[in-house]
Amino acid sequence: NIVLTQSPATLSVTPGESVSLSCRASQSISTSIHWYQQKSNESPRLLIKYASQSISGIPSRFSGSGSGTDFTLSINRVESEDFSIYYCQQSYSSLYTFGAGTKLELK
Amino acid sequence: EVQLVESGGGLVQPGRSLKLSCAASGFTFSNYYMAWVRQAPKKGLEWVATISTSGSRTYYPDSVKGRFTISRDNAKSSLYLQMNSLKSEDTATYYCARVGTHYFDYWGQGVMVTVSS
Repeated sequence: NIVLTQSPATLSVTPGESVSLSCRASQSISTSIHWYQQKSNESPRLLIKYASQSISGIPSRFSGSGSGTDFTLSINRVESEDFSIYYCQQSYSSLYTFGAGTKLELK
Repeated sequence: EVQLVESGGGLVQPGRSLKLSCAASGFTFSNYYMAWVRQAPKKGLEWVATISTSGSRTYYPDSVKGRFTISRDNAKSSLYLQMNSLKSEDTATYYCARVGTHYFDYWGQGVMVTVSS
């Protein structure tokens, strides 16, 4: 199975800061990585597909990059509504896997 | 508007069975792969099963393979998850999700399954 390692586990920031969240794959997966946001007591929401492709309705401050084994979700100027848990998911293998998540919290 | 509504959750004893359902609307159900994803309390997301558009192909992780069966009824726009030989570690919120090109683009609100004696 392809293992995804997200770091850091928790990121404490103040609104207005820009942040980068990391997702590292245990083997090369091209750009087959997708990012989700899960707010407290809500269902996950798709943010970015295939490493860097934007999703309709998602604010432009969210962007993704990377290929191979190293991927990054960037949030430009964090807003209060962004404090959530972020997960990456790989689809290089038909046996999908998720990372353990990064919690973005208010400093 | 895409809607996915899960049902069938509840409290069940270890070793027993339970069947979840997901009613889909707002899109052509038969055109999409569908999936189940679960989340144990205070834990991360775990993919549980995927089914092809016709139902002829299914995929499972080792953690549920042989115990869980995903199925669909395209005429009813419904997705199902038959869960047998349930274990305490199957306790989770189960989400029905539409599969885009190998990503989950829409999610239901989730249904809770508790496995306990």
